[in-house]
Amino acid sequence: KAGVTQTPRYLIKTRGQQVTLSCSPISGHRSVSWYQQTPGQGLQFLFEYFSETQRNKGNFPGRFSGRQFSNSRSEMNVSTLELGDSALYLCASSLAPGTLNYGYTFGSGTRLTVV
Amino acid sequence: AQSVAQPEDQVNVAEGNPLTVKCTYSVSGNPYLFWYVQYPNRGLQFLLKYITGDNLVKGSYGFEAEFNKSQTSFHLKKPSALVSDSALYFCAVRATNYGQNFVFGPGTRLSVLP
Repeated sequence: KAGVTQTPRYLIKTRGQQVTLSCSPISGHRSVSWYQQTPGQGLQFLFEYFSETQRNKGNFPGRFSGRQFSNSRSEMNVSTLELGDSALYLCASSLAPGTLNYGYTFGSGTRLTVV
Repeated sequence: AQSVAQPEDQVNVAEGNPLTVKCTYSVSGNPYLFWYVQYPNRGLQFLLKYITGDNLVKGSYGFEAEFNKSQTSFHLKKPSALVSDSALYFCAVRATNYGQNFVFGPGTRLSVLP
């Protein structure tokens, strides 16, 4: 079956712009989580969605937001981009938040560069 | 609060030798523990997990990990390293109580030298 699909793979934006990233989870998976990966900070949790509701949120400013649609696809948005937002953004899907022992399946990520 | 430490930024090992990538964790209650591997410009791939039961867990590509509750460790091991094992390895923990997201370690870069 198809894996987790993230689009686009690469993105270059200028400071002050906004960006929207998309994630389609594995078929049947209803939970989507987002992570930011940078060389200095490692993997930082952004948020988790299940059934179109945000279930958990990391310590990121309000410029970072997300949503989930009825088909479980998720988008994350970053407004007023800063240079420090340059990172690999990873999406991970799982069956549901309660199925902790199943772990995550990750997408290949979106590489965002802010110039 | 949950946390994961991977004390080595870099591990170098010769091909054919055994390898160990270390991980220690802190979590309230019982943990679920995972190892993931990341190749350049790719997402993380699942290697293995400890949920309950036998402390020695076997995973993909010949990797295994040993859960040690008293030392709060979950070291990743492989008896004979391959050059193709060179990658970034992440240990992750998730508490068993609902609502806890994954916490990842900082990663350890493994280099297997031919």
